[in-house]
Parts: sequence; structure tokens; C-alpha cells
Amino acid sequence: EIVLTQSPATLSLSPGERATLSCRASQSVSSNLAWYQQKPGQAPRLLIYDTSNRATGIPARFSGSGSGTDFTLTISSLEPEDFAVYYCQQRSAWPRTFGPGTKVDIK
Amino acid sequence: EVQLVESGGGLVQPGGSLRLSCAASGFTFNNYEMNWVRQAPGKGLEWVSYISASGSTIYYADSVRGRFTVSRDNARNSLFLQMNSLRAEDTAIYYCVRDQYYGSGIFNQWGQGTLVAVSS
Repeated sequence: EIVLTQSPATLSLSPGERATLSCRASQSVSSNLAWYQQKPGQAPRLLIYDTSNRATGIPARFSGSGSGTDFTLTISSLEPEDFAVYYCQQRSAWPRTFGPGTKVDIK
Repeated sequence: EVQLVESGGGLVQPGGSLRLSCAASGFTFNNYEMNWVRQAPGKGLEWVSYISASGSTIYYADSVRGRFTVSRDNARNSLFLQMNSLRAEDTAIYYCVRDQYYGSGIFNQWGQGTLVAVSS
């Protein structure tokens, strides 16, 4: 099973600041990595797929990068609605696995 | 508009059974692979099961293999999860999730979830 680790566990930032979230895989997943956003009481929402492709309707302030085992989600300038939990997920192998999440909260 | 609406959750005793349903609309259901993903209270996401568009290919997480059975009825645009021998650790919100495209493993549509609580 491919294990995904995310860091930091919590990121405390202010609106307008840049957020950088990390996801590391226990073995290469090529570019087969996605990012999801989840707000309290809501289902997760796909943000980024295949490392760097924004899903439909996702603002340009969200971007993804990386390859192999190390990936980054960047939010260029945090909006109030961006404070949430972010999960990475690999689709390179079965079982599909998720990281434990990074919570972005308001400083 | 794509809609996935789960139902069938509830409180069940350890060792009991429950059958979850997911009603799909707004897309051609029989063209898409489907999954179940769960989330224990206050915890992260765990993929549970996958079924191909035709139903011919099925995968399970190790944690549920042998106890859960996924199925679909393309004529009724419905996905199911039969859960047997339930354990306390199966307590979670269960989400019905659609793949973005064939075999993609990209979860681009999610239902709102149904809560399963396993407790005596």
C-alpha cells in the first residue's frame, strides 16, 4: 500500500498570505496525485488532479506541483473561504489512499 | 447537474448488517466507475470500494474485504454497499463517489454522505 504523509498537520495563516502544503508518497506515484478540500460538515471537493490540473471551477490561486514522491499544493493568496482541511490522494495503485490531511486555519 | 444521494445509514449493533444505497442522476450512470469512501468522526478519508461501470471489476480495502459487498444496478442508476459483520471501527460517514473518467481514480463528484454508527 502506498502511504501518503502530509505536512504540516496544521498551518495557521492570515487571509492574503501564501499557503504551501506538502504531500510525500512512500513510493513513486508518477504524476497521479490529487488534492481535495473539505470544509466542516461538507463532502470533500476535488481541487487538483494529476499533480497540477485544476478541476472545473477551481480558482487560479490554487496550484499544484511535484512528481514521483514529493508534491506541493500552493494557495497563492488565502481567501476567507480557503480555510479548510486539504487531503492528497494517489491513484497510481490499489488501494487508493489518502494522506492524513493538513488543516489550514486562521491565525 | 450531477447528483449523488446516499441513504440507508443508521445505528446498528456490532455484528449487524446494513445496506447503503446511492441514487445517481444528472449523468449517464452506466458510463462511470463508482466508489465508496468513508470518514470516521473527526478523522481522515479512507477509500473503501470500487466498482467498474459494468460491474465486472471490483476492489475492496483490506479493512472491509470479506465483510462488505459493492454492487450496482445500471437500470436504476443506483450503487449499493452491503455491509455485514459490522464493527465499531466501521462507524463513519460513507460517501458515494464518482470517478472523473474511465479508470481514473480521480474522485470528482461526491455525495453528501450517510452516517453509519456501530454501537451496542
